[in-house]
Amino acid sequence: GDSVTQTEGLVTLTEGLPVMLNCTYQTIYSNPFLFWYVQHLNESPRLLLKSFTDNKRTEHQGFHATLHKSSSSFHLQKSSAQLSDSALYYCALSDPQGGRALIFGTGTTVSVSP
Amino acid sequence: EAGVTQSPRYAVLQEGQAVSFWCDPISGHDTLYWYQQPRDQGPQLLVYFRDEAVIDNSQLPSDRFSAVRPKGTNSTLKIQSAKQGDTATYLCASSFTNSGNTLYFGEGSRLIVV
Repeated sequence: GDSVTQTEGLVTLTEGLPVMLNCTYQTIYSNPFLFWYVQHLNESPRLLLKSFTDNKRTEHQGFHATLHKSSSSFHLQKSSAQLSDSALYYCALSDPQGGRALIFGTGTTVSVSP
Repeated sequence: EAGVTQSPRYAVLQEGQAVSFWCDPISGHDTLYWYQQPRDQGPQLLVYFRDEAVIDNSQLPSDRFSAVRPKGTNSTLKIQSAKQGDTATYLCASSFTNSGNTLYFGEGSRLIVV
């Protein structure tokens, strides 16, 4: 079945340093939608960015990700972390028609310190 | 535009008690999802509807959990005879099919079973 793998459970870094969160997936679909959701403490997940286009960089709020179908990856990056980036980040997968529920990865906690 | 609304926000039960969670999706969204999010884990799908029809309830513990969406708008998730293992946040989300399956989450209903 479809699955999403996030290898890091916790990422700790100092403000101003770059951050990269890994996401790989397995799916039967040749054109899946990939998403990154962010969840701050005591809040619900909200969409950070999404893509279905191979090799096209998608950006939002300083974060960016590129869907690489050749490697089944959708890594999230930011060049300079801020304290407010401390949160849980989930990678998620959907079928191309959007007819099925999202499948979420296990999540990566990002902790940014001064 | 109003977001996804959930109530109650918090519930504390003793084992064996029942609780119902209510969700009002974003107007016009045909698909409604219930996810269970245990502490420090990612959202796990329980059930989802398209209009009033159940599309997938395979992960819903049918002996104690039930969910309905009778008019294709609001939805109720009910837990009968709650167990400590049901302690989690119950997230409702909605989406519009063919919109890239972007989910919009409510603030969640946090359940503690003692």
